[in-house]
Amino acid sequence: SQQGEEDPQALSIQEGENATMNCSYKTSINNLQWYRQNSGRGLVHLILIRSNEREKHSGRLRVTLDTSKKSSSLLITASRAADTASYFCATEGTGTYKYIFGTGTRLKVLA
Amino acid sequence: DAMVIQNPRYQVTQFGKPVTLSCSQTLNHNVMYWYQQKSSQAPKLLFHYYDKDFNNEADTPDNFQSRRPNTSFCFLDIRSPGLGDAAMYLCATRPGTRETQYFGPGTRLLVL
Repeated sequence: SQQGEEDPQALSIQEGENATMNCSYKTSINNLQWYRQNSGRGLVHLILIRSNEREKHSGRLRVTLDTSKKSSSLLITASRAADTASYFCATEGTGTYKYIFGTGTRLKVLA
Repeated sequence: DAMVIQNPRYQVTQFGKPVTLSCSQTLNHNVMYWYQQKSSQAPKLLFHYYDKDFNNEADTPDNFQSRRPNTSFCFLDIRSPGLGDAAMYLCATRPGTRETQYFGPGTRLLVL
């Protein structure tokens, strides 16, 4: 299965701290995306990183990709209570058109 | 403006009674996906279309069918819903490979 695994499964931090989530996957990929999902809501796209890229930034978000280790990380700096959500990585396998989701990290930011 | 629209947002059906969920897109994207997401779990891909080419995941139950009559619309048919099919159903689109997926708001299905 291509499904990625994320760790930690759950993370609880204080407002203002940084949060790091990791994603590992099994097969070669074209690209990898990170999504946020608030409880009971739809998925919000955060960042797409291609297989030939190593790092991308968007506001307080920083994503890295290490294709040799088949892993990615999402860093949220200066976290806010509004960042409380589940975060998923999704990978597009080489030669496919489909994205497969990782298991997700539940982030709780305490005010 | 809504780009991926799912109707209805909430659907209640009875055990064994067929139900159809719909998805439409204004983006003219080639690829459309259906995912099932159960509580506290990751979205699970059911099937996807590239234009009219249908691709079924190996572990998608036979109870689930899909139709894509044109570029804009895609339907998910559940022939005989069971209690275990209660979930959020997510539709997504993208223009082609190596691009971002755009998700609709989802349809929450309740089976009584």
